[in-house]
Amino acid sequence: EVQLVESGGVVVQPGGSLRLSCVASGFTFDDYAMHWVRQGPGKGLEWVSLISWDGGSTYYADSVKGRFTISRDNTKNSLFLELNSLRTEDSGFYYCAKTIMGATPLGNWGQGTLVTVSS
Amino acid sequence: DIQMTQSPSSLSASIGDRVTITCRASQDISNYLAWYQQKPGKVPQLLIYAASTLQSEVPLRFSGSGSGTDFTLTISSLQPEDVATYYCQKYTSAPFTFGPGTKVDIK
Repeated sequence: EVQLVESGGVVVQPGGSLRLSCVASGFTFDDYAMHWVRQGPGKGLEWVSLISWDGGSTYYADSVKGRFTISRDNTKNSLFLELNSLRTEDSGFYYCAKTIMGATPLGNWGQGTLVTVSS
Repeated sequence: DIQMTQSPSSLSASIGDRVTITCRASQDISNYLAWYQQKPGKVPQLLIYAASTLQSEVPLRFSGSGSGTDFTLTISSLQPEDVATYYCQKYTSAPFTFGPGTKVDIK
């Protein structure tokens, strides 16, 4: 069974930084590209970032480009998102998600970790 | 960047009704379109990809169609467990933008 478990969400002040982690199990982690998606309180889904299976290619939403960094450690079946220069509008649940084989859509999602940016 | 829109933003229908949700892309995305269902308080789930391919274990009352810029998600006979917000997403290339969502509830 595919499992994705996020952690690292905290309350942080505007301008602050934090690192989210996602530990994967139940599938061959380095066969799949991985996404981060977020959802603000009462809002819709916002795609944040994608990393290729080997970490060689990364993609970002314009709203986070230059502030967030996606990475992975295939030896530890782990995905990361480093968040810098945080703004109040970055608050919300952050989900990691696994692509489906051979395609980009998000086939499996974690339960999410909550980031709150507030002074 | 390609923008995604959905209509309606919300709808109420009766059990057994046929429900159709529309998603429109601002440019041609061929069939690189996915649909997700998010039930209240739950994590989103993939329903359909490649515009019309049903993800495994998704009930057959769900179907998708379209290509280019106009797409539809159809629920052939609405069930109580289908109460949810439905999102489309384009995946031709980054950014992999979601539509704003369509909230479906029971009349």
